[in-house]
Amino acid sequence: KQEVTQIPAALSVPEGENLVLNCSFTDSAIYNLQWFRQDPGKGLTSLLLIQSSQREQTSGRLNASLDKSSGRSTLYIAASQPGDSATYLCAALNDYKLSFGAGTTVTVRA
Amino acid sequence: NAGVTQTPKFRVLKTGQSMTLLCAQDMNHEYMYWYRQDPGMGLRLIHYSVGEGTTAKGEVPDGYNVSRLKKQNFLLGLESAAPSQTSVYFCASSYSLGEPTGYEQYFGPGTRLTVT
Repeated sequence: KQEVTQIPAALSVPEGENLVLNCSFTDSAIYNLQWFRQDPGKGLTSLLLIQSSQREQTSGRLNASLDKSSGRSTLYIAASQPGDSATYLCAALNDYKLSFGAGTTVTVRA
Repeated sequence: NAGVTQTPKFRVLKTGQSMTLLCAQDMNHEYMYWYRQDPGMGLRLIHYSVGEGTTAKGEVPDGYNVSRLKKQNFLLGLESAAPSQTSVYFCASSYSLGEPTGYEQYFGPGTRLTVT
């Protein structure tokens, strides 16, 4: 059974600082890994998807890396802004099913 | 193109009542999923479907039933609601494995259910 862990559970940084969010998973036989953003009381917005054959994906200020052998993925957000405040979820795909971490709640202080 | 929609957005039930949540997608996706999200626990898979007329159990299926009579719709039923089923329910859909899109899952806005 895939177990996905995100540490820390919460993070508070001043505006402009780079964010580093960590995700670890126990079963390395994943098809892909997806990062989501969730605002309070809202649904999930997909940020980045990394295929199992890829090492990283980039979109604007966001960069996600994947190391299957060590069971880790990292989401980097450059030059954080107050609008980046949200909960970030990672999810690993095995056999049609996504397994989610509990998320990291980020607060960016102006 | 509405993507994934869910009906209703909010609902309050009394213990023992029944209800059906409707998920609809207009992207011609083969796969559809129902998840629940509880505080501090991330999302957990309830049931999923890999095609019209097929369903399968996920991680937490007890107390729920599903049906996929049409490709675009996936229904989640609670036959006798319990307070433990108070949660936020999300539906998602995706193309099948092997498609060039990389099997990304697209999520609906959620249904907030309270069982008293």
